[in-house]
Amino acid sequence: SAVISQKPSRDICQRGTSLTIQCQVDSQVTMMFWYRQQPGQSLTLIATANQGSEATYESGFVIDKFPISRPNLTFSTLTVSNMSPEDSSIYLCSVRTSNYGYTFGSGTRLTVV
Amino acid sequence: GENVEQHPSTLSVQEGDSAVIKCTYSDSASNYFPWYKQELGKRPQLIIDIRSNVGEKKDQRIAVTLNKTAKHFSLHITETQPEDSAVYFCAASRNYGQNFVFGPGTRLSVLP
Repeated sequence: SAVISQKPSRDICQRGTSLTIQCQVDSQVTMMFWYRQQPGQSLTLIATANQGSEATYESGFVIDKFPISRPNLTFSTLTVSNMSPEDSSIYLCSVRTSNYGYTFGSGTRLTVV
Repeated sequence: GENVEQHPSTLSVQEGDSAVIKCTYSDSASNYFPWYKQELGKRPQLIIDIRSNVGEKKDQRIAVTLNKTAKHFSLHITETQPEDSAVYFCAASRNYGQNFVFGPGTRLSVLP
C-alpha cells in the first residue's frame, strides 16, 4: 500500500496565524483526502483534493478557512487559516489504496493557544 | 446524507474473550464498509472491510458481518489479546470507497 509522509507531526500556534500541513505520497494517486479528528472524536472529512482542479469541500468546511493545494499526483497541502483554539485537532491526509481502503498519514497534532 | 451509529462507545473484555462492535448506517446505497483500528497517538489503520455483495468476511481472529436489509454490520474479535486494546471505527461509503462517513468509535480495553 501507499506510504504517506505528513509534516509537521505537531505544532503549537498562536491564534490568528496560519499553518500549512504537507502530505507526500510515494506513488501517484488521483484523489487525496483531508480529515480532522478533534480530541477523543471520530474522523470528519474536510475535503477531497484532485490534481488540477479545485478541492471539493464537505458541509461545514470552506475554502477560505482550509485552502488546499494539489500541484501534482503525489503531493498536497492543507492550510488552517486564521486559527482559533477551536481548530485544535489532529489533521490527517489520506489516499485510497487499490483494495478500496484508505491509508492515512501519521497526522498533525495542532494546538492553538 | 449518510449517518453511521456505533455501539458500544466503550467495551471492556477479559483477555481471551470475544468482543463485538455493532454499526448501523442510513444510506441504502452504501456499498463498502471498512473497520479501522486506532491505537493511542497513532494513525487509523484498516483491519478488515466488506463489500455489499458479501455477507461475512473473516481474517484470522477478526470477522465482519453485514446485514444489508437491516443496514447494520458488526466487527467480531475472538480470543482477544491486550494488543487489541484501541479505538475502533466503522465507516460506510458509496462508490466503493469514496466519501467515507465514520462512526463515533468504540474504545476497546482488553484486561489481562
